Amino acid sequence: KQEVTQIPAALSVPEGENLVLNCSFTDSAIYNLQWFRQDPGKGLTSLLLIQSSQREQTSGRLNASLDKSSGRSTLYIAASQPGDSATYLCAVNTGTASKLTFGTGTRLQVTL
Amino acid sequence: NAGVMQNPRHLVRRRGQEARLRCSPMKGHSHVYWYRQLPEEGLKFMVYLQKENIIDESGMPKERFSAEFPKEGPSILRIQQVVRGDSAAYFCASSPVSVTGELFFGEGSRLTVL
Repeated sequence: KQEVTQIPAALSVPEGENLVLNCSFTDSAIYNLQWFRQDPGKGLTSLLLIQSSQREQTSGRLNASLDKSSGRSTLYIAASQPGDSATYLCAVNTGTASKLTFGTGTRLQVTL
Repeated sequence: NAGVMQNPRHLVRRRGQEARLRCSPMKGHSHVYWYRQLPEEGLKFMVYLQKENIIDESGMPKERFSAEFPKEGPSILRIQQVVRGDSAAYFCASSPVSVTGELFFGEGSRLTVL
């Protein structure tokens, strides 16, 4: 059974800092991994999707890496801004009908 | 993710009533997924549907819950005889392809059972 863990559970950083969010999963037989952002009371916004054959994906200030063999992914946020404050979720697709297994998220707060 | 439309956004029901949640996928998407987020817990898969077919309902409780995605109209998640433990945010996601497709989520429907 796939299990996804995200560390840390919460993180507070001052504006401008670069930061790394971690995601680990127990079953390396995945099709892809997706990072989402969730604002309080809102839905999920897809940030980056990494297919199993890829090592990383970049979008603006965000960079996600995938090491499938070790069961790890990281989301790197450069030059953090207060608007980045949200919960970041990692989800793994094991290929069973895109049935994503989610981590419990990292709650990020970027302070002025 | 604005393309996946869910309604109602908020729904209050008393114990024993029925709740119906609707989801219209993004244009061109024929795969719909329902997830549930219980308070202080992660999102859990419930059911995967294509038009007129339930493909995988392994995450859905065996009783009181049902889902459909008719040929015409939105997908509907139906909860009969709701109990307080059903209070949660229910998210719908859609994808243009299965398995390796990127999922796009709606804003969710928040059910409160009194």
